[in-house]
This record gives sequence, C-alpha cells and structure tokens, in this order.
Amino acid sequence: QSALTQPASVSGSPGQSITISCTATSSDVGDFNFVSWYQQHPGKAPTLVICDVTKRPSGVSNRFSGSKSGNTASLTISGLQTEDEADYYCCSYADGSPVVFGGGTKLTVL
Amino acid sequence: QVQLQESGPGLVKPSQTLSLTCTVSGGSISSGNYYWTWIRQPAGKGLEWIGRFYTNGITNYSPSLKSRVTLSVDTSKNHFSLKLSSVTAADTAVYYCAREAKYSSGWYYFDFWGQGTLVTVSS
Repeated sequence: QSALTQPASVSGSPGQSITISCTATSSDVGDFNFVSWYQQHPGKAPTLVICDVTKRPSGVSNRFSGSKSGNTASLTISGLQTEDEADYYCCSYADGSPVVFGGGTKLTVL
Repeated sequence: QVQLQESGPGLVKPSQTLSLTCTVSGGSISSGNYYWTWIRQPAGKGLEWIGRFYTNGITNYSPSLKSRVTLSVDTSKNHFSLKLSSVTAADTAVYYCAREAKYSSGWYYFDFWGQGTLVTVSS
C-alpha cells in the first residue's frame, strides 16, 4: 500500500478535461511541495510532465497542469487527445523515503 | 543527450542474487548534481523505487528493500550497478535505471531513463 493514493482509472472523451488525484495517506510527507507526475505509455519508460507540484518541464504541453490542496495533489489534462492515453504516476517524498510513487492511474481516452 | 542502458541476466534463480548494470553515455556519472537511480515495475503494476546514489557517493535505499540491495559505481566505465540478494518470484519485474536532476526548486526529478530490462525469477 503506497503512501500516495491514486484512483486506479479515469476516462474522458477527446477534447474534455480530466483530473487525477494523488492523496498522501502518510503524515510524513514534509510540506508536500515536491510532487511530480510521470506519464508512461505501454512498454515505455516514464516521462516527467509536472514537477514542483505545478511546474511544466520544457517541452511538455500546456494542456498538462498541476495543483495541490492540503495533502492532495492533482494532475489536470485539458483538451484530451488520444495520445494522452497512458498510465500516470505521482511521486513525492514520504515516510522517510525520498522517492515514493503512487499506485498509478490508467487514463482511457474514449 | 544522456542515454542510459540496462544490462544483465534476464533469468535468475530463486534465492540467488540479481545483478544489473546501467551504462551511461553522453555525460559523466561522476560529475554534476545528479542522483543515479534504480526503479522496478512488475508486469501490470506500478513503479517501485529501489535506491539511488549521489555523485558524491551518498546512497539512499527503499526501506522495504534496504536489507537486500547493494548499489555500486564504476566511474572508469561510467556505469553503476544493482545487486539484489535472496530473490523470489516477487522480484520479477522490469528494472529501470534513471537519472535524477536538480531543478530550480532544489528538488530532484527523473529526467532520463533507460529502456528497462525484464528480469524473471524462476527455477
């Protein structure tokens, strides 16, 4: 059981927006200010889409955005495209470990 | 452009030691503000962080794997290695090596990954 809880799956239609949550179930997550999100297509290595809760690395589409409220971080993808269909993982410090991944969320674009 | 490539046996017997190497090209493993990391992913499951070392030699390990993991580095070959002892079927996974780079906030994030290598634990 990860210290970071994500929904197993979310879905949306092309053009719509979806939000994936990442809730820290541990009390030891520091300020929860260093949350990142990774996108993983089948058979591929993950790629960084959000860092520092809200920042987009260079080259990442502005359709991806991050936010945080209390102990829950969120990834929002707007204007869904078929290529957004992938698994998404949040990542943060937790429970004394510098790197903990959430369980992952499978995004299906209907 | 930094590239990472995992290598090692694809099949390991139960109770033996899994050994993998990650060869880095396009940059020196001994310079810069980077962590060099191992992550694994069982088939159909999520990512699990194994451990990492910093360019100054500091290492961090997953608490759940710490007793079985050894990380090492060979700067002359520009590669780093993972050893996981006393393996069981539960250690069957795709193993990734990756680099964590320091961002403006001062925190580290994964910016380059290897393609991953499947290791199966079976007799």
